Amino acid sequence: EDQVTQSPEALRLQEGESSSLNCSYTVSGLRGLFWYRQDPGKGPEFLFTLYSAGEEKEKERLKATLTKKESFLHITAPKPEDSATYLCAVQDSGNTPLVFGKGTRLSVIA
Amino acid sequence: DTEVTQTPKHLVMGMTNKKSLKCEQHMGHRAMYWYKQKAKKPPELMFVYSYEKLSINESVPSRFSPECPNSSLLNLHLHALQPEDSALYLCASSQDWEGAGTDTQYFGPGTRLTVL
Repeated sequence: EDQVTQSPEALRLQEGESSSLNCSYTVSGLRGLFWYRQDPGKGPEFLFTLYSAGEEKEKERLKATLTKKESFLHITAPKPEDSATYLCAVQDSGNTPLVFGKGTRLSVIA
Repeated sequence: DTEVTQTPKHLVMGMTNKKSLKCEQHMGHRAMYWYKQKAKKPPELMFVYSYEKLSINESVPSRFSPECPNSSLLNLHLHALQPEDSALYLCASSQDWEGAGTDTQYFGPGTRLTVL
């Protein structure tokens, strides 16, 4: 059974304090790993898709990396507006639904 | 443009009402999805439409009835809902569902549903 585990559940950072969020996954064949940002009461906003181990993608203060067992979302010098829940999801090979992790709630304090 | 729109933004309904949620995308995507999300939980898949045909129904109660009138529109008809059905209902779309590639799903803003 496909599984996705995100850690930590919640993270509180001071503005400018860089850190990383972790997404560990178990799939029989990875078709893709996705990162989303979700603000309270709103739909998930797409950030990155990673396809294979070794791949990295960047967007502003965010950088996502992928290994065969986990992905990291690195946040460099975060700002209060980066506060949100970050969701990781994986898709197994074939026509299988996304499997979501429970998310990491990030709070960045000014 | 990666926009998925949903209407209404908020909906309050009684247990005997009939209402519909609407979703629209103009990205040429051929797969559309309905998800349900409870507070502090990840989205849960309800239905998948591929090329306007229902591909997946994740054992959703019949009081939820999906409809895909064309490739750009997706509806969710609601009837005789229960208070526990109160949640954020999300629509998403992707380029394809049955293709060999990896298809990123783009989500709409959601409809906040409250059942009294």
